[in-house]
Amino acid sequence: DIVMTQSPDSLAVSLGERATINCKSSQSVLYSSDKKNYLNWYQQKPGQPPKLLIYWASTRESGVPDRFSGSGSGTDFTLTISSLQAEDVAVYYCQQYYSSPITFGQGTRLEIK
Amino acid sequence: QVQLQESGPGLVKPSQTLSLTCTVSGGSISSGNYYWSWIRQPAGKGLEWIGRISTSGSTNYNPSLKSRVTISVDTSKNHFSLTLSSVTAADTAVYYCARGINGYSIFDSWGQGTLVTVSS
Repeated sequence: DIVMTQSPDSLAVSLGERATINCKSSQSVLYSSDKKNYLNWYQQKPGQPPKLLIYWASTRESGVPDRFSGSGSGTDFTLTISSLQAEDVAVYYCQQYYSSPITFGQGTRLEIK
Repeated sequence: QVQLQESGPGLVKPSQTLSLTCTVSGGSISSGNYYWSWIRQPAGKGLEWIGRISTSGSTNYNPSLKSRVTISVDTSKNHFSLTLSSVTAADTAVYYCARGINGYSIFDSWGQGTLVTVSS
């Protein structure tokens, strides 16, 4: 199984400041034939299902604010929120779909400082 | 806009079989290049992928659960189902169904989730 490790486990950022969440995979999720990274990011608020933010490591899902961006390749990935808003308080998960079983990171809890 | 809704018993006794259904509305479960997955989340914990079924009916399961899991689809009712046998307290979780788009496990639509408690 590919193990996904996120850092930090929790993060407190002031409103309007940048938030950065990291995700590392135990093996590369870059598929050589299509040059795509099989990596998603989700946001989960209390009592709600996860919401897709980013797929292919850096493609923003329709309707997701442009303050959310994804970057990275191979085994190291980053989710960046450029200017934190109050509604961004949530737990964020990365997920690989390079190989089965599909696996998620343990989650990063983002709070307001 | 596709919508997914889980249904099934909220309480299952140890050693028995958990059965859940995910009803899809706003689109046909048998059209398009989709994977239909089950994912669970114990209270306060992370997400665990259970398995998936494609529109053609092929299945993939998490090896950690494979011996106990079956996912099936009923196109006439536009729903897919999960059965998990020989449950224990460790199977207590919120169970989500989700759609994977474009033939990949990019989960763009999720059900609201249903809490299943395993207890006598």
